[in-house]
Amino acid sequence: KAGVTQTPRYLIKTRGQQVTLSCSPISGHRSVSWYQQTPGQGLQFLFEYFSETQRNKGNFPGRFSGRQFSNSRSEMNVSTLELGDSALYLCASSLNAANYGYTFGSGTRLTVV
Amino acid sequence: DAKTTQPTSMDCAEGRAANLPCNHSTISGNEYVYWYRQIHSQGPQYIIHGLKNNETNEMASLIITEDRKSSTLILPHATLRDTAVYYCIVTVSQGAQKLVFGQGTRLTINP
Repeated sequence: KAGVTQTPRYLIKTRGQQVTLSCSPISGHRSVSWYQQTPGQGLQFLFEYFSETQRNKGNFPGRFSGRQFSNSRSEMNVSTLELGDSALYLCASSLNAANYGYTFGSGTRLTVV
Repeated sequence: DAKTTQPTSMDCAEGRAANLPCNHSTISGNEYVYWYRQIHSQGPQYIIHGLKNNETNEMASLIITEDRKSSTLILPHATLRDTAVYYCIVTVSQGAQKLVFGQGTRLTINP
């Protein structure tokens, strides 16, 4: 079966711009989480959605936002990009995280110049 | 979520068992131990999880001490493809799971 699909794989943006990243979870998975990975901070939790509702949020500024659609697909948006937002953004989905864990996508590598 | 402590790096010979330790001395009664790994330039991969009993699946075994303050992930016959960063995470099992990744253990399997 298809895994978690993230688009685009690579992105280059300029400071001050905004960006939208997309995530298509595994069919049937209703929980979608987003993580940011940088060399300095490692993997950090951004937010988690379930049935279009944000259930948990990490410690990121309000410039980082997300949403989930009725088909469980999710998007995250970063406004007013800063150089420090350059990172690998990972999406993960789960049928039941407690029993099966999360399945991660390959990520979107965002470079802010 | 409880903090975990793992060695920064480990080496293991191909074909041997790789034993990766994790300390989680402040774990709460309702928190599970999860293990993920991340192979270079890929997203993390779920391996196994447990509460207090030892667990085994097709990938690995998880041994949790009786006091639940530490655990060991065992890869029984390590291959070169097991070279990765391994993360031990403690979190509640229900609801909106927030995985708190530490620095993990960089495991290198040597031929």
